[in-house]
Amino acid sequence: NAGVTQTPKFQVLKTGQSMTLQCAQDMNHNSMYWYRQDPGMGLRLIYYSASEGTTDKGEVPNGYNVSRLNKREFSLRLESAAPSQTSVYFCASSPDPYNEQFFGPGTRLTVL
Amino acid sequence: RKEVEQDPGPFNVPEGATVAFNCTYSNSASQSFFWYRQDCRKEPKLLMSVYSSGNEDGRFTAQLNRASQYISLLIRDSKLSDSATYLCVVNMRGLDMRFGAGTRLTVKP
Repeated sequence: NAGVTQTPKFQVLKTGQSMTLQCAQDMNHNSMYWYRQDPGMGLRLIYYSASEGTTDKGEVPNGYNVSRLNKREFSLRLESAAPSQTSVYFCASSPDPYNEQFFGPGTRLTVL
Repeated sequence: RKEVEQDPGPFNVPEGATVAFNCTYSNSASQSFFWYRQDCRKEPKLLMSVYSSGNEDGRFTAQLNRASQYISLLIRDSKLSDSATYLCVVNMRGLDMRFGAGTRLTVKP
């Protein structure tokens, strides 16, 4: 089992460009999450999905959109990247809210 | 007030020391509580869940105090390999999770 996989691992964008971060899990988990982590800070929740077909805003959703394509995949889209979105992005999954979240290795994004 | 706040750290302790971290949370209706460990430039990994009655896993003990709205993590007999950042996690509502900013621990020989 690969667990949670994320692509790409690294990305550099120019201001105004768009991109989609991909996340997939093979643990048959219902819940999936997208977080960002900035230096010296904990993770902040961008969006989450309780199950296929549902998504909800987290703490910092502005500037992002998500798609829960199916039970395995949860993508994060930046429509018009800004330097403030320079961060490390983590995807996670869990069976439900009361159990452990499993994290992917992260995507390091720089917006110039 | 932040929704989840942790001891600012950093904590620098010698091997064998006992160290304790606290984490306060703002939502009295929170149901799920966790401690995660994050090594430098890596993803967070679960250290332990925190149960109402308190729970222990080897050298690690986690406690929940609902009345005062905080959770704690105690590490006994610290090892060099315990050096990491420790993150507390609390759910605000359902899957809406909040992480603390993290407490960095360095265990020195």
